[in-house]
Amino acid sequence: AQKVTQAQTEISVVEKEDVTLDCVYETRDTTYYLFWYKQPPSGELVFLIRRNSFDEQNEISGRYSWNFQKSTSSFNFTITASQVVDSAVYFCALSEAGYGGATNKLIFGTGTLLAVQP
Amino acid sequence: ETGVTQSPTHLIKTRGQQVTLRCSSQSGHNTVSWYQQALGQGPQFIFQYYREEENGRGNFPPRFSGLQFPNYSSELNVNALELDDSALYLCASSSKDRWDTEAFFGQGTRLTVV
Repeated sequence: AQKVTQAQTEISVVEKEDVTLDCVYETRDTTYYLFWYKQPPSGELVFLIRRNSFDEQNEISGRYSWNFQKSTSSFNFTITASQVVDSAVYFCALSEAGYGGATNKLIFGTGTLLAVQP
Repeated sequence: ETGVTQSPTHLIKTRGQQVTLRCSSQSGHNTVSWYQQALGQGPQFIFQYYREEENGRGNFPPRFSGLQFPNYSSELNVNALELDDSALYLCASSSKDRWDTEAFFGQGTRLTVV
């Protein structure tokens, strides 16, 4: 069965601090995708990144970086120099490969609420 | 903005009533998935529609049903509403014709059942 665990329910940091959000996943598939989404109070899920299971290269996008390690089934997300606008709930998600007839449904973790204080 | 729009944004219904939620997919996308997000939880997959047919369903009872139209927009119908159906309902648009696709979400419909 597929499962995503985000053990951190809430994190509070002061602006300009670095913060890492943890994500651990379980799957029997050899081909799968991992995602991070941001959910601000408005409710819309904002796509941040997608990684496929064959690409373990870490990625950096501005203040955001992601560390994917298949050996530990983890896909952690780091925000460098956090800002108040980063305050939101962050979800890690897993899906099987969606080509052909497969249902590429997303399996979400329970989310981590990040509060960045000024 | 993602180009995925949902209506209405908020809705209050009475237990036992029926509700229809709507979703317009992003241009070029042929797949719509629906998710239910209870307060403080992650979204849970309800079902997916691909080219007007149901293509996978989560652990939801038959009173949750859907449709997809030729323009790939979609409806979620819930009959015999229960108090536990109160949640944020999210629609996601994607394309199954590309093997590496991400889903883009609408802003959601917040349903309250009283």
